[in-house]
Amino acid sequence: DSGVTQTPKHLITATGQRVTLRCSPRSGDLSVYWYQQSLDQGLQFLIQYYNGEERAKGNILERFSAQQFPDLHSELNLSSLELGDSALYFCASSVDGGLGDRDSPLHFGNGTRLTVT
Amino acid sequence: ELKVEQNPLFLSMQEGKNYTIYCNYSTTSDRLYWYRQDPGKSLESLFVLLSNGAVKQEGRLMASLDTKARLSTLHITAAVHDLSATYFCAVDSRSNYQLIWGAGTKLIIKP
Repeated sequence: DSGVTQTPKHLITATGQRVTLRCSPRSGDLSVYWYQQSLDQGLQFLIQYYNGEERAKGNILERFSAQQFPDLHSELNLSSLELGDSALYFCASSVDGGLGDRDSPLHFGNGTRLTVT
Repeated sequence: ELKVEQNPLFLSMQEGKNYTIYCNYSTTSDRLYWYRQDPGKSLESLFVLLSNGAVKQEGRLMASLDTKARLSTLHITAAVHDLSATYFCAVDSRSNYQLIWGAGTKLIIKP
């Protein structure tokens, strides 16, 4: 158990809809990262937050947004969903924000499997 | 721009054999990570390599880092079926807070 909690585990929704994925980082971790993994694909970095502030942005669509709350949990909002958005969405957390000491790896949650029909 | 290339992308091997997965990256970095992912599951951290010449071993897996060659290897010794998984390397870009990920190596070990 990595200590990173993601909910829900599975989500089935229709095209055009909006969903929210939730992530609670490991206790003490300040950074939260969101990744998308399509079937048999690698990891696509979406966005990172560090202590409530956006720290880095990857290939995140304009239809997607995220935020990190004062209690450090994070939410990823996906709107106007398309069939191609069907994927596993992972949240990961780490102690630091990326620069400085990176001895600690990212710790991944179990993911949310999103199916858009 | 940092790029990370893994090879092979797919590897099928027999139990008991040895093999190596390679992770090349394009610009300077001194932090590299190896992860394992079982199908449909989360990613599990295997190794964190923090300096040139670093070597770490866990069971039948050994990882090394050569920062001058910009190369990391993940060596599998006497493979067993339980090691079947996809293995990812990720390199710390150091300049923009991101890890840059390889495409993953899907490893199938046949009994």
